[in-house]
Amino acid sequence: DQQVKQNSPSLSVQEGRISILNCDYTNSMFDYFLWYKKYPAEGPTFLISISSIKDKNEDGRFTVFLNKSAKHLSLHIVPSQPGDSAVYFCAATFNAGGTSYGKLTFGQGTILTVHP
Amino acid sequence: KAGVTQTPRYLIKTRGQQVTLSCSPISGHRSVSWYQQTPGQGLQFLFEYFSETQRNKGNFPGRFSGRQFSNSRSEMNVSTLELGDSALYLCASSGQGNSPLHFGNGTRLTVT
Repeated sequence: DQQVKQNSPSLSVQEGRISILNCDYTNSMFDYFLWYKKYPAEGPTFLISISSIKDKNEDGRFTVFLNKSAKHLSLHIVPSQPGDSAVYFCAATFNAGGTSYGKLTFGQGTILTVHP
Repeated sequence: KAGVTQTPRYLIKTRGQQVTLSCSPISGHRSVSWYQQTPGQGLQFLFEYFSETQRNKGNFPGRFSGRQFSNSRSEMNVSTLELGDSALYLCASSGQGNSPLHFGNGTRLTVT
């Protein structure tokens, strides 16, 4: 039962253009969503997050959009740079009365390649 | 601030053996979570500890166990290793409230 899905295994874009990575989820209890970037032989690095009470969050070149009715989120990277080439994971969680979000459900990842 | 530190980075074990992996969280972080990453299953949640108590557990057999010490450092143990346990094991820590997980670089376990 894959509760978080990234349907595009890979994405290729030109330097300077926009990269759009997509993610769908099925569990309506999820209330906090995150994007991570991962290079080979390293752990995932946190990029940006969004709470379900918002529909957009920006941090520099990265913007995450959340569409709760469609159970869909996307990560926009503008402008894309060759150093952005990595595997991108979306993740979701919910706070079941606790005080932190330690249990994440991850998508399968999308390999982003940015060409110079 | 130092990041999440995991030791060792690489480990080779034989089927049937047991293994212990170690994790030191970011200073001040009291929540520690463990994940397994494999090519087939992706990143899967193992368990989460907070103040030495297991707060959440994923769908893994009882051969997988963990603990957290009073200084928030954590260990996970896998007993009776199977070939399918070969994976990258990632530890992550977080602060209080709406705080994202910060991951270490993992321990690559190979079971032969």
